[in-house]
Amino acid sequence: VQLVETGGGLMQPGGSLRLSCAASGFSVSSNYVSWVRQAPGKGLEWVSVFYSGGNTYYADSVKGRFTISRDNSKNTLFLQMDSLRAEDTAIYYCARGGLGDWAYFDYWGQGTLVTVSS
Amino acid sequence: AIWMTQSPSLLSASTGDRVTISCRVSQDISGYLAWYQQKPGKAPELLIYAASTLQSGVPSRFSGSGSTTDFTLTISRLQSEDFATYYCQQYHSFPPTFGQGTELEIK
Repeated sequence: VQLVETGGGLMQPGGSLRLSCAASGFSVSSNYVSWVRQAPGKGLEWVSVFYSGGNTYYADSVKGRFTISRDNSKNTLFLQMDSLRAEDTAIYYCARGGLGDWAYFDYWGQGTLVTVSS
Repeated sequence: AIWMTQSPSLLSASTGDRVTISCRVSQDISGYLAWYQQKPGKAPELLIYAASTLQSGVPSRFSGSGSTTDFTLTISRLQSEDFATYYCQQYHSFPPTFGQGTELEIK
């Protein structure tokens, strides 16, 4: 199992960014995969999940600004981040839901850094 | 959201020591608790889920216990590679939430 995130970078407040999470060793279409973020020097914050059945859910802090999606043919998950704020600055990890429950995480990617600053 | 409080925030110990980290939860989560280890510059790694089930490949010196609102991570004999930051996480209620972390440093 491997998860590889790409797409991070420096963005001005109000801008948009799209993160990708390429999965291998398992199918994103039959697993739950989340985005979890970590602000510099801070703790972990769950951001969003894409259920295997297609439902999506978001943390209140990003609802209405971020959109999670997936491409089953590419076995890849995405996070479209709009209306970015300084407080969105963080390392963004994608993580697979654990055995029997989507909401703990048994495999994580290496993360991609998003910096929102003018 | 459910609040998670870990103690201590910083723990100094020596190789070979037995250490415990506490995680207190703001409401009853039964046994829906996980523990992660994170080393500097790396992603978190799952150690324990369901409060006490060891993830495959994790050394047996790690153990978890507790239920409802009080949980503990124990490392029986510290090895050099165990110095890291540890997080607890509840997955009983939406959204899943994490503790603030416990940094385990070499004394």
